[in-house]
Amino acid sequence: QVQLQESGPGLVKPSQTLSLTCTVSGGSISSGSYYWGWIRQPAGRGLEWIGRIYRSGTTNYNPSLKSRVTISVDTSKNQFSLKLSSVTAADTAVYFCARETTGPSFDYWGPGTLVTVSS
Amino acid sequence: QSVLTQPPSVSGAPGQRITISCTGSTSNIGAGYDVCWYQQFPGTAPKLLIYADNNRPSGVPDRFSGSKSGSSASLAITGLQSDDEADYYCQSYDSSLRVVFGGGTKVTVL
Repeated sequence: QVQLQESGPGLVKPSQTLSLTCTVSGGSISSGSYYWGWIRQPAGRGLEWIGRIYRSGTTNYNPSLKSRVTISVDTSKNQFSLKLSSVTAADTAVYFCARETTGPSFDYWGPGTLVTVSS
Repeated sequence: QSVLTQPPSVSGAPGQRITISCTGSTSNIGAGYDVCWYQQFPGTAPKLLIYADNNRPSGVPDRFSGSKSGSSASLAITGLQSDDEADYYCQSYDSSLRVVFGGGTKVTVL
């Protein structure tokens, strides 16, 4: 059973960079034809796709966030990471990592981690 | 403002059938991209309910079904149960190479 777990600081200051890591267990990032993605959800609001990465390092980003987002993968650690620069209060949200399969659809999700942007 | 449009809320009595609509455009659902649906309870991650328009992952009851026509899709829940009270999201893909979600629908069992 594939499991994902987000980790990283829960509090980030405005204008700084938000950094999160997703650790995958029960399966290898390097196997299968999957993308690995980040999705966020502000409190009481809907889901917003941030971006995704393939094991080769190929990425796609939400155009609305593209200038501030970097997603990377470390296959040796079975992890992928998110960096979001120049954050503001509007970036406060629960951040989920997930496995993307054909469709696309997300079949496995991490439990999510709350990141608050505040001074 | 979500790319896909869902009603904010839908309600029904136990045992009834309800449907949740998801309206897109010719650049996403109408372009033929697959639609999937998620169920989310408060404080938890979304759970995949329907993929590729009308397919259920293993373990999802057949009370849940999906359909698609033109630029719209629908999720139907038959035999509504109190356990079905949750938020439901549709999701597709867009020709601008991005994953797109609906704004979510809160289902209330009366």
